[in-house]
Amino acid sequence: QKEVEQNSGPLSVPEGAIASLNCTYSDRGSQSFFWYRQYSGKSPELIMFIYSNGDKEDGRFTAQLNKASQYVSLLIRDSQPSDSATYLCAVTGDKIIFGKGTRLHILP
Amino acid sequence: DVKVTQSSRYLVKRTGEKVFLECVQDMDHENMFWYRQDPGLGLRLIYFSYDVKMKEKGDIPEGYSVSREKKERFSLILESASTNQTSMYLCASGPPGHYYEQYFGPGTRLTVT
Repeated sequence: QKEVEQNSGPLSVPEGAIASLNCTYSDRGSQSFFWYRQYSGKSPELIMFIYSNGDKEDGRFTAQLNKASQYVSLLIRDSQPSDSATYLCAVTGDKIIFGKGTRLHILP
Repeated sequence: DVKVTQSSRYLVKRTGEKVFLECVQDMDHENMFWYRQDPGLGLRLIYFSYDVKMKEKGDIPEGYSVSREKKERFSLILESASTNQTSMYLCASGPPGHYYEQYFGPGTRLTVT
């Protein structure tokens, strides 16, 4: 059974600090990795994707991929209250698998 | 910007009714997907389609069917709604291939009484 694991949280981070969200996956053949943000009552919104080992930065967001250790992470710098949401990790190989998400709460 | 629309934001149906959920995307995407999302269970794939008139079962297809007669439109059908199909239904579309991103519609919250 291929799995994607995330800590459900909530993860509480003070405003202005760095939020670090982690995701591990079981399928070594996985090729693409995505982070979605989902506000309460809304649908998931794609915020980052990464295909290669290393870091990928987009504004305040950095995705980090380590295929050897089978984890992908999302860093949010200068966290804002508007970043409070559930973050879903998704991994694709022969199919797409979503994690159940980590709830992030930014403390004002 | 990718736009995926769903026919209803909220829907209430009775047990045994036939239910149609429609999804339309305007980005000429080949791939379209139907998920349901339930607390504690996350997103679960019901069906997907890589081309017109083509469909494949996802992880939980039982009790559902789909139709894709046009590239931009993907319909989910509940042949005989049951209370355990009460859920948030999310449609998504994306570019061709297994490995690429998906863009979600706003969702339909279906309640079956």
